[in-house]
Amino acid sequence: NAGVMQNPRHLVRRRGQEARLRCSPMKGHSHVYWYRQLPEEGLKFMVYLQKENIIDESGMPKERFSAEFPKEGPSILRIQQVVRGDSAAYFCASSPMGPQDGYTFGSGTRLTVV
Amino acid sequence: QKEVEQNSGPLSVPEGAIASLNCTYSDRGSQSFFWYRQYSGKSPELIMFIYSNGDKEDGRFTAQLNKASQYVSLLIRDSQPSDSATYLCARGNYQLIWGAGTKLIIKP
Repeated sequence: NAGVMQNPRHLVRRRGQEARLRCSPMKGHSHVYWYRQLPEEGLKFMVYLQKENIIDESGMPKERFSAEFPKEGPSILRIQQVVRGDSAAYFCASSPMGPQDGYTFGSGTRLTVV
Repeated sequence: QKEVEQNSGPLSVPEGAIASLNCTYSDRGSQSFFWYRQYSGKSPELIMFIYSNGDKEDGRFTAQLNKASQYVSLLIRDSQPSDSATYLCARGNYQLIWGAGTKLIIKP
């Protein structure tokens, strides 16, 4: 039973390019959460999705960031026109129903903007 | 005021001793509390969650919740060098609010 799969593990983008981060939840999990972790800082909630629905995107920056969790395929976090400040580790987590029993995290995607 | 506060450490504990990690929070309405462990460069992994006042034990780990005083703690008995990591406290429902973590070092 594979865990939460994120890819790529490492992503390097030049300023102004687009970054696409993918997350496949654990089998049987229909709830997906994205978090960002800056160096030496804690995790910051970005967005909570269920299949085809954004439940809460209150942690997403208003511009350049978007997320989706289509009926088929992985959840995608998309960052347009990346800037140096977007460099961080982006973690995806999933849970079977709500998060009341805790999440399972993926290994993360480390985005570096040069 | 940060919603979830942890001492950043590092907290140094000799091998075999009890490590005590503490977390305070400001939202009296919080119901669910989680402890995660994060090794350097790795993703967080769930250790325990607790909802009710009192203690909850799982192996060498005991979580303690005191809602009146708004703190939650994690005790690690018989500490091992492999327990050296950053321990993250979180509260909430789907939007977990996280502390910045306490770095724990277990010295052989």
